[in-house]
Amino acid sequence: GAVVSQHPSRVICKSGTSVKIECRSLDFQATTMFWYRQFPKQSLMLMATSNEGSKATYEQGVEKDKFLINHASLTLSTLTVTSAHPEDSSFYICSGSGTSGGRGTDTQYFGPGTRLTVL
Amino acid sequence: QKEVEQNSGPLSVPEGAIASLNCTYSDRGSQSFFWYRQYSGKSPELIMSIYSNGDKEDGRFTAQLNKASQYVSLLIRDSQPSDSATYLCAVTFNTNAGKSTFGDGTTLTVKP
Repeated sequence: GAVVSQHPSRVICKSGTSVKIECRSLDFQATTMFWYRQFPKQSLMLMATSNEGSKATYEQGVEKDKFLINHASLTLSTLTVTSAHPEDSSFYICSGSGTSGGRGTDTQYFGPGTRLTVL
Repeated sequence: QKEVEQNSGPLSVPEGAIASLNCTYSDRGSQSFFWYRQYSGKSPELIMSIYSNGDKEDGRFTAQLNKASQYVSLLIRDSQPSDSATYLCAVTFNTNAGKSTFGDGTTLTVKP
């Protein structure tokens, strides 16, 4: 299957700082990337969808000025959590969809996730 | 009503049994259907995709799709304790390229 990496896997930061999370598709071109957030024992929550070279589309209730998404290339998307606060502590997961070895464009491949803790 | 519904469980089966996981969806225009497995503290991993009515088998896993009934299921044969996880059903609607709607997941426990 297609491989997606995320960095860092875990980050601890102080309240008020900004944190950048990188998501890379290693063996396919991710024309679309998705960012999710998941709180313990809860469902995946889609935050935003981004297409390469375009502005991200945010889900209702997600602050676009707080969660900055950049999808600069077909293999890299970044999520920046600006002025992080303790309530932003969560598991952030990216996924990408595109073409790889003939697979369809609507299969999402997930990164391993980034666990953010804001003190 | 949620667009993709799954029984939350927990579903508990003995080792070696067949586990049956079910998912219903609301949009008849749905084209693609996926099953993901998520271990606690990890991200989802793709198990199977299915696009046409009928059964699709991959090892111990069989996905079943019935578009008329708007129903997709996942059967796990010879269940193992390592299959204990949350299983997510995902559905892609026709007009949203690449964007899937996920169910809340069913937690499966396989008891030795």
